[in-house]
Amino acid sequence: QGHLVQTGAEVKKPGASVKVSCKASGYSFTDYYIHWIRQAPGRGLEWMGIINPDGGRTTYAPRFQSRVTISTDTSTTVVYLDLSGLRSDDTAVYYCARGLGFIKPFDLWGQGTLVTVSS
Amino acid sequence: DIQMTQSPSTLSASVGDRVTITCRASERISNWLAWYQQKPGKAPRLLIHRASLLESGVPSRFSGSGSETDFTLTISSLQPDDFATYYCQHYNNYPFTFGQGTKLEI
Repeated sequence: QGHLVQTGAEVKKPGASVKVSCKASGYSFTDYYIHWIRQAPGRGLEWMGIINPDGGRTTYAPRFQSRVTISTDTSTTVVYLDLSGLRSDDTAVYYCARGLGFIKPFDLWGQGTLVTVSS
Repeated sequence: DIQMTQSPSTLSASVGDRVTITCRASERISNWLAWYQQKPGKAPRLLIHRASLLESGVPSRFSGSGSETDFTLTISSLQPDDFATYYCQHYNNYPFTFGQGTKLEI
């Protein structure tokens, strides 16, 4: 079981940063990796990165490497996605999702957070 | 990066039909493939992993097959709740990538 609950929608200006959070509950937090995936309006799914809450090791997709930071607070079982240098094409729904191991599919997803980048 | 290509992009079908969606990987991925279902305004839901293993709670009318580069998702008898968009995803290595999606419509 378990739940992933994300923060609400954000509106940002180009060049700004956004921090989206994902609160995990109902399962052992450090047993699962957390991923971030985004979906632009009317488009497909794009994997951004992963964190192991047990130790904080991260891996990022190359195209986001320079702009993304994923972090975690094990005391509150929250995972954060920080995306900087926002552009209009970063407008998307951002999802967190968990996987049982480093190379596992995503068996539980957050509800998604819409980030709109507009001047 | 491994490219995942789904076909068709859109599939028109009726309740009771048997439908098949295909997914091709640009490199061999053994059976490290998952299928997800997504409905409008909702997060994706895991249906199948390891190419053919049904996730707990998923109806048995869903099935998956294939290995290495060619995979299929079959729905044996479409139900009204099945009209959605379906995505394949490899998890052979990083970065994980998804197919572009197949919209199943009436």
